[in-house]
Amino acid sequence: ETGVTQTPRHLVMGMTNKKSLKCEQHLGHNAMYWYKQSAKKPLELMFVYNFKEQTENNSVPSRFSPECPNSSHLFLHLHTLQPEDSALYLCASSQELAGGAYQETQYFGPGTRLLVL
Amino acid sequence: AQKITQTQPGMFVQEKEAVTLDCTYDTSDPSYGLFWYKQPSSGEMIFLIYQGSYDQQNATEGRYSLNFQKARKSANLVISASQLGDSAMYFCAMREPTTGNQFYFGTGTSLTVIP
Repeated sequence: ETGVTQTPRHLVMGMTNKKSLKCEQHLGHNAMYWYKQSAKKPLELMFVYNFKEQTENNSVPSRFSPECPNSSHLFLHLHTLQPEDSALYLCASSQELAGGAYQETQYFGPGTRLLVL
Repeated sequence: AQKITQTQPGMFVQEKEAVTLDCTYDTSDPSYGLFWYKQPSSGEMIFLIYQGSYDQQNATEGRYSLNFQKARKSANLVISASQLGDSAMYFCAMREPTTGNQFYFGTGTSLTVIP
């Protein structure tokens, strides 16, 4: 496997279900991100993990719970979601430098298309 | 104020022609990075090109070039010799140290290449 992988690619769940999205990066990066992309809206940053520590949580509802067991894996645990949570969820990774890294790009996975019924 | 503005929701271009996708940005930080990504219908965001605020020359990557006009705070993407496979959403993004190097994305431009 190369780059950033995400599973599953598609997910349909009911509002009472619990599911998890998985992301794995094979690039040796030290930072990972979850984004939500809804139709006709800019990408919304949800969570950032830098060196396995969560450094950003953009007022995301508690029904979304991230987990980063190591620098290569990132999970997004979902429970009691709402229909408005239906979206494309993108994972990304980057190599962050201690002194700042505005030059570094993010590399994205293919995304998980989530439909909440 | 929005950090990244893309004013063209949709663009059409004839195959083999060049097209310019607009992007303006807002920052008071002297150091920043500008990025363009392509998102085909499959969903994956593909990194295309990067321009640093201190770079003297416009960035180029194959058929992609970035028209960087610092004083106007614009970073337009130019795609030369358009191909059918260029049909996709294109997103402009920025990072700046003063906001923790967070990525800011625009709303995107949908490009359709016409045969």
